[in-house]
Amino acid sequence: SQTIHQWPATLVQPVGSPLSLECTVEGTSNPNLYWYRQAAGRGLQLLFYSVGIGQISSEVPQNLSASRPQDRQFILSSKKLLLSDSGFYLCAWSKAGVAETQYFGPGTRLLVL
Amino acid sequence: DAKTTQPTSMDCAEGRAANLPCNHSTISGNEYVYWYRQIHSQGPQYIIHGLKNNETNEMASLIITEDRKSSTLILPHATLRDTAVYYCIVTGGSNYKLTFGKGTLLTVNP
Repeated sequence: SQTIHQWPATLVQPVGSPLSLECTVEGTSNPNLYWYRQAAGRGLQLLFYSVGIGQISSEVPQNLSASRPQDRQFILSSKKLLLSDSGFYLCAWSKAGVAETQYFGPGTRLLVL
Repeated sequence: DAKTTQPTSMDCAEGRAANLPCNHSTISGNEYVYWYRQIHSQGPQYIIHGLKNNETNEMASLIITEDRKSSTLILPHATLRDTAVYYCIVTGGSNYKLTFGKGTLLTVNP
């Protein structure tokens, strides 16, 4: 069966510091990978998705970037965090293709102070 | 993606069926209806999805009206652990994105 991991689970970072969140998937090959963010009291917003190694699509302009160095690894980064980057970051995977069912990881709760 | 409309909140007694409605009157022919739920402080959990026909799995049943403009998620025997926000999402075609609205907060009471 497939498993998706995210770490860390919780992170407190000062404004202006860098960020690196990691997501890995086990038990599948060539998945689509997704990063979503959920701000406090708001719905989930898709930030990035990837259909293959090195292929990243950005949904909204922001202070964040994503990379996919390996087939089942997806990384969310920032060079300098802003207060507005606080939120609940969720990684998801799906089978290759469009409109496939997405399965979410446990999430990383980021607080920028 | 077609927009969905759900009640803000619902209550259900433990052991009874929970019926969560969703309106999606602008759904296109190639769009699916998906249901996810999010228990507090956890990632969304996939429940079920369907295109035209009613669907059932180990978690729930999905009833889609014949005109596909609305659907109902049924949890046959709700437990306290089913307390969560339930999201109805319409997506399909060439879309990679799931658009989450505010969902329905289902509270299962003892």
